[in-house]
Amino acid sequence: DAGVTQSPTHLIKTRGQQVTLRCSPKSGHDTVSWYQQALGQGPQFIFQYYEEEERQRGNFPDRFSGHQFPNYSSELNVNALLLGDSALYLCASSLEPGQLSPLHFGNGTRLTVT
Amino acid sequence: DAKTTQPPSMDCAEGRAANLPCNHSTISGNEYVYWYRQIHSQGPQYIIHGLKNNETNEMASLIITEDRKSSTLILPHATLRDTAVYYCIVRYQAGTALIFGKGTTLSVSS
Repeated sequence: DAGVTQSPTHLIKTRGQQVTLRCSPKSGHDTVSWYQQALGQGPQFIFQYYEEEERQRGNFPDRFSGHQFPNYSSELNVNALLLGDSALYLCASSLEPGQLSPLHFGNGTRLTVT
Repeated sequence: DAKTTQPPSMDCAEGRAANLPCNHSTISGNEYVYWYRQIHSQGPQYIIHGLKNNETNEMASLIITEDRKSSTLILPHATLRDTAVYYCIVRYQAGTALIFGKGTTLSVSS
């Protein structure tokens, strides 16, 4: 049973560019959340998708957007990259938002903006 | 902001019990306490969660005080592989987002 998978594992982009990160949830899970983790900090919540809609959003600018597909996989898009966007981006999946089911995290995509 | 307070670091000898404290004095009646850990270069891993009763699973035990203002995660026999950052999180029953703090860095040594 595959867990949460993310691609790519590492990525280098230039300031001002756009990036797309991808996530496949754990089998049986229908809710996907995205987190940003800067070096030495805990993960910060970006947003959560359920039924192909954004259900919750953290304190992140509109440059951060997402999408969820009918097969529950998800993408995170970041436009106009800034140096400060360099971080580990984590995807987590779970059962529908109203449940208490724990989040299962992938190992993340390390984004470096130069 | 995170609703929990944890010591920044702790040390534990291999084979001993590791007791990680967490204060959550503003917790409300419908909020659960969750524990996750993050081993270097990996995503966070779920450990255990509870509401008011003590909980135990194959990884750890969770002890919640009667007033629910604090809790302790217990790893009964710590190994070197338990070296990680441990996060204590309170979460609404409705499944709102996990809000991580800085956690406790547990170092297990032989």
